[in-house]
Amino acid sequence: AQSVSQHNHHVILSEAASLELGCNYSYGGTVNLFWYVQYPGQHLQLLLKYFSGDPLVKGIKGFEAEFIKSKFSFNLRKPSVQWSDTAEYFCAVNGASGAGSYQLTFGKGTKLSVIP
Amino acid sequence: DAGVTQSPTHLIKTRGQQVTLRCSPKSGHDTVSWYQQALGQGPQFIFQYYEEEERQRGNFPDRFSGHQFPNYSSELNVNALLLGDSALYLCASSLLKRTARETQYFGPGTRLLVL
Repeated sequence: AQSVSQHNHHVILSEAASLELGCNYSYGGTVNLFWYVQYPGQHLQLLLKYFSGDPLVKGIKGFEAEFIKSKFSFNLRKPSVQWSDTAEYFCAVNGASGAGSYQLTFGKGTKLSVIP
Repeated sequence: DAGVTQSPTHLIKTRGQQVTLRCSPKSGHDTVSWYQQALGQGPQFIFQYYEEEERQRGNFPDRFSGHQFPNYSSELNVNALLLGDSALYLCASSLLKRTARETQYFGPGTRLLVL
């Protein structure tokens, strides 16, 4: 069974600080990886995704993530956070083919609070 | 370009009742997935519909059932509601591509409270 672990439940940063949110997954095969963000009062939005190729992927709003296959990790990074980045961030995985590709498995989420 | 829409936005029911939630997929999408998000948790997969059939099901009891219509919209039905069914129910749509990967786009959700 596939699973996703997000290391931090709540992260508090000051504006301009650098961000790294950890995500590790467990899956017996090739995976697709996603980061979704949920801003206060808004719905889940896709931040970035990895299917194949360059393990460093860039998303919207200056976010990037690096897929490290040997560590089963897909950490999210941003060099300098803004107050508007305050949100909950979810890492998700599905299989790259077959029945495992239908469902997304999510981590429990990391709440990010950015202090002005 | 209309995104994923869901109705109603909020719902209050009592234990034992039945509820129907509705979802219209993003324009051009043909696949609908349903997720349950309990407070403080990530979304959990309930099932996915494609071509009006349930393609895959997560670890949810038979009280949870669904339907997809020819226009790709979908309904989630929950019978014999329990207090533990209180959650945000999310609909996600995607376009089935047989040679590429799907990306799921989420709607705003329906918040269900069971008293």
